[in-house]
Amino acid sequence: DAGVIQSPRHEVTEMGQEVTLRCKPISGHNSLFWYRQTMMRGLELLIYFNNNVPIDDSGMPEDRFSAKMPNASFSTLKIQPSEPRDSAVYFCASSPQPGGAGQPQHFGDGTRLSIL
Amino acid sequence: DQQVKQNSPSLSVQEGRISILNCDYTNSMFDYFLWYKKYPAEGPTFLISISSIKDKNEDGRFTVFLNKSAKHLSLHIVPSQPGDSAVYFCAGSGGGADGLTFGKGTHLIIQP
Repeated sequence: DAGVIQSPRHEVTEMGQEVTLRCKPISGHNSLFWYRQTMMRGLELLIYFNNNVPIDDSGMPEDRFSAKMPNASFSTLKIQPSEPRDSAVYFCASSPQPGGAGQPQHFGDGTRLSIL
Repeated sequence: DQQVKQNSPSLSVQEGRISILNCDYTNSMFDYFLWYKKYPAEGPTFLISISSIKDKNEDGRFTVFLNKSAKHLSLHIVPSQPGDSAVYFCAGSGGGADGLTFGKGTHLIIQP
């Protein structure tokens, strides 16, 4: 079975450029989550969707960050304009139902983003 | 405000012995607690979970204990094996939030 697929695996770009990270959740999973991992803050939730609808985006750091889920099999996280402090590993995860029910989330292998 | 804390950044254990990883939390509204294991350059992988109404859950070599009064949980791995060397994350879920709140992780090193 294919797991959560993220692309690209690595992204290096210059400050001010637009960055788009992509995620394909596990087929049949109704919830999708975006997390960011940094040394200082660890793994933190940015936003999550249930049935393609954004439910909680309180973790999105600034208006420069936006996320969409146009259909059940695809989501994007966009940063525009990017800044060096956005450098981190970004993970996408999916689960069959909302995570509050204790349902484990399945993670992709992440996108390592470096903003120069 | 860190709602989930893993106070040991690293832990070294001899192969065959017991590994005990600890986690403290402050949010009494969490319904579930989960442990994830992470290898370098990979995403976290679910290991084991426990409901807040239980005090123990066991799955093979892995056992999680929950002490609600102390707001503390621990993961026991016995016997420890070289493949257990990884970063272990504790996470809480529920309390009206569907996302996971993670600790910063403990790097477990199993020595031969």
